[in-house]
Amino acid sequence: DAKTTQPTSMDCAEGRAANLPCNHSTISGNEYVYWYRQIHSQGPQYIIHGLKNNETNEMASLIITEDRKSSTLILPHATLRDTAVYYCIALDTGTASKLTFGTGTRLQVTL
Amino acid sequence: NAGVTQTPKFRVLKTGQSMTLLCAQDMNHEYMYWYRQDPGMGLRLIHYSVGEGTTAKGEVPDGYNVSRLKKQNFLLGLESAAPSQTSVYFCASSPLGPGQFYGYTFGSGTRLTVV
Repeated sequence: DAKTTQPTSMDCAEGRAANLPCNHSTISGNEYVYWYRQIHSQGPQYIIHGLKNNETNEMASLIITEDRKSSTLILPHATLRDTAVYYCIALDTGTASKLTFGTGTRLQVTL
Repeated sequence: NAGVTQTPKFRVLKTGQSMTLLCAQDMNHEYMYWYRQDPGMGLRLIHYSVGEGTTAKGEVPDGYNVSRLKKQNFLLGLESAAPSQTSVYFCASSPLGPGQFYGYTFGSGTRLTVV
């Protein structure tokens, strides 16, 4: 699976959009981009995933560049409850059978 | 519908003791996983299973054994606990197949301290 690179930490004001970047320059055509988050001491929570088209669900939007070398997770109106570590993972679901987590981005939402 | 349930939630062991962590899922998922998470670090895969009766090693398998005798249960055993195994352990499950892969479901974790 391709390596992903994320900033160590980010801050965001409550009510504003949080834009979390992820680089995956070696991603292959079969690899999806997955996002999970982990709120303090809890198990990770699935947020969203995509292959090449932009995706949106009730939690977030995922924007993948046309060359698929990077993506951005967007939380449109961040709240204090969105404070967490966010993990970006590239995964070939056709061959891989497991997720590998890096250290992620620690998002701090402030008043 | 409980999802993924881990027992116990907390445990303190003495060095050399053994114990088994239980993970149970009620979603009929084929795949199950055990991760550990040390303070300030990401999750590391210990062992996983792609179906009943199967197990495979992950990134950090040494010192642990697993069994998947029933589809809904995945057991993680520590034969002789060491202080280096002090960690938070997370179990997860997922459906089978790339077309059905909509994310892992994680349990709430087991906090293990080895003294």
